[in-house]
Amino acid sequence: QKEVEQDPGPLSVPEGAIVSLNCTYSNSAFQYFMWYRQYSRKGPELLMYTYSSGNKEDGRFTAQVDKSSKYISLFIRDSQPSDSATYLCAMDRPGANSKLTFGKGITLSVRP
Amino acid sequence: DAGITQSPRHKVTETGTPVTLRCHQTENHRYMYWYRQDPGHGLRLIHYSYGVKDTDKGEVSDGYSVSRSKTEDFLLTLESATSSQTSVYFCAIRGGMNTEAFFGQGTRLTVV
Repeated sequence: QKEVEQDPGPLSVPEGAIVSLNCTYSNSAFQYFMWYRQYSRKGPELLMYTYSSGNKEDGRFTAQVDKSSKYISLFIRDSQPSDSATYLCAMDRPGANSKLTFGKGITLSVRP
Repeated sequence: DAGITQSPRHKVTETGTPVTLRCHQTENHRYMYWYRQDPGHGLRLIHYSYGVKDTDKGEVSDGYSVSRSKTEDFLLTLESATSSQTSVYFCAIRGGMNTEAFFGQGTRLTVV
């Protein structure tokens, strides 16, 4: 079992839809959770960063962490064509020299 | 944008030749990482560094070596390039433990 699993997609939604992107993980030591957005032929850029469980909101984006279920989600409200990109979840455990563990990413397309 | 520059941005090389990719940062961040990104595999860690002259292997380190002689530069060398090393290579930096990572724009390497 891989440490981080992410729905492979791709995912296509109409403009204005609510999008839910999810990752599951197996390592209970993970405490730090991130979502990255990657446009075609660009490097990943950080969207959301959360520590431990709970929700975090930033504009149209909400990150949710459920440590009891080992499940994280990214919700995008009122999705726009400009949200079309690949979304990667990433996780980290406490400690020196820790390394981010990434999901494989899901490609989202928002149709006008 | 985080000050990360990868060079070259594109390279075509022949099988069996050595290749060196450079990552340069202006953020004075301690941690630096090299990833490769391939369809179906997501981001996979090749090598990372947690300080000058301190490096360690990631999950796909075979055929690669790294060096970090100063804080701002992290070099990735393919000793003898093979077609399986055709990929997009990303450098990332982190300022401290469990902080977010910032990525460069990537180097697209083709081995023919």
